[in-house]
Amino acid sequence: GQNIDQPTEMTATEGAIVQINCTYQTSGFNGLFWYQQHAGEAPTFLSYNVLDGLEEKGRFSSFLSRSKGYSYLLLKELQMKDSASYLCAVMDSNYQLIWGAGTKLIIKP
Amino acid sequence: IAGITQAPTSQILAAGRRMTLRCTQDMRHNAMYWYRQDLGLGLRLIHYSNTAGTTGKGEVPDGYSVSRANTDDFPLTLASAVPSQTSVYFCASSGTENTGELFFGEGSRLTVL
Repeated sequence: GQNIDQPTEMTATEGAIVQINCTYQTSGFNGLFWYQQHAGEAPTFLSYNVLDGLEEKGRFSSFLSRSKGYSYLLLKELQMKDSASYLCAVMDSNYQLIWGAGTKLIIKP
Repeated sequence: IAGITQAPTSQILAAGRRMTLRCTQDMRHNAMYWYRQDLGLGLRLIHYSNTAGTTGKGEVPDGYSVSRANTDDFPLTLASAVPSQTSVYFCASSGTENTGELFFGEGSRLTVL
């Protein structure tokens, strides 16, 4: 079967750095995506990785290792507004998105 | 404001009733999707449409139907609601098919009693 694993919940301190991991087992690979979802709101697209390596976008970076079936989302200089769930999704060989259950990130002052 | 509009935002429904969740987008996106989101589970695809006039089944299509008469509208119908369909439903769109960059509506919270 296909599955995406990510931690259920993480806690971090304002101003710090946090890394949210995602491991996947899918039928084929056509890209990995990270989304942010604030409580009660819609998911919004954050990043896309299809090649190995690090993609940086402001305070957020996303890393991919296809050989290890592994990605992480790195959030720097954490702000209270970063409190949200972070969803990892992989596009399989049929171009279907397989979604993880999400990681709830709690930021403490 | 450009984007995706869903209605209703929230609804409580008796089991056995018929319900249509509406979704309209003004971005002229070809591809549209309906997902359900349940606690502890990832988003699950119900139905999708790659272009007006075509629809396809996703991971969990049973009990749901969709239509795509034009580019902008993609309603989701529950013919006879059951309690297991209690969920938050998200409509999404993308500019092209086979892309993982989706734009989501604000969601419709449905409770079936």
